[in-house]
Amino acid sequence: GDSVTQMEGPVTLSEEAFLTINCTYTATGYPSLFWYVQYPGEGLQLLLKATKADDKGSNKGFEATYRKETTSFHLEKGSVQVSDSAVYFCALSDLNNAGNNRKLIWGLGTSLAVNP
Amino acid sequence: NAGVTQTPKFQVLKTGQSMTLQCAQDMNHNSMYWYRQDPGMGLRLIYYSASEGTTDKGEVPNGYNVSRLNKREFSLRLESAAPSQTSVYFCASRESKGNQPQHFGDGTRLSIL
Repeated sequence: GDSVTQMEGPVTLSEEAFLTINCTYTATGYPSLFWYVQYPGEGLQLLLKATKADDKGSNKGFEATYRKETTSFHLEKGSVQVSDSAVYFCALSDLNNAGNNRKLIWGLGTSLAVNP
Repeated sequence: NAGVTQTPKFQVLKTGQSMTLQCAQDMNHNSMYWYRQDPGMGLRLIYYSASEGTTDKGEVPNGYNVSRLNKREFSLRLESAAPSQTSVYFCASRESKGNQPQHFGDGTRLSIL
């Protein structure tokens, strides 16, 4: 079945460091890919998405490119801030349940802590 | 600009008690979902509702029931709470057409003693 694998955390960086969080997937067909962010004590928020190969999603300085050849959707940011401290989840849209039944397949999340 | 609203935000129960978690969305979405989040296990789907009047089991449905009361509301019921159901519960909704993202509530933190 479809699956998502994320790099394990926690990841600890200093402010202004470069961030990469790896995400790889296994899926049949051409799923859509998502990154969600969860700040402490809150629900998940969509950070960015890509719906087809070579698409780049971007938001708030974060970017991820849908790479079909490597089945990857790595999250990157050039200069992290303390306010980026959160848990980041990679997810794909389960194409085996099309239309109204469509579900998301989730990675386990990667915790990021940014120190001043 | 409410989005997805979950109540209550916190609850403590004793083993064997029953409880209903409420979820309402104001975005006119067809699909709604209930997840639980546990440390090291990510998000696990409990039940979902593709549209008003339909519900389906997710990965971990045992010990739970759901009701899609109308298009806005999707409730999760624990009939006889167990300590293993201590978790953070999230409700989500999405527009069912295309590859639209899910929108989440802020969660209900449930402890069962």
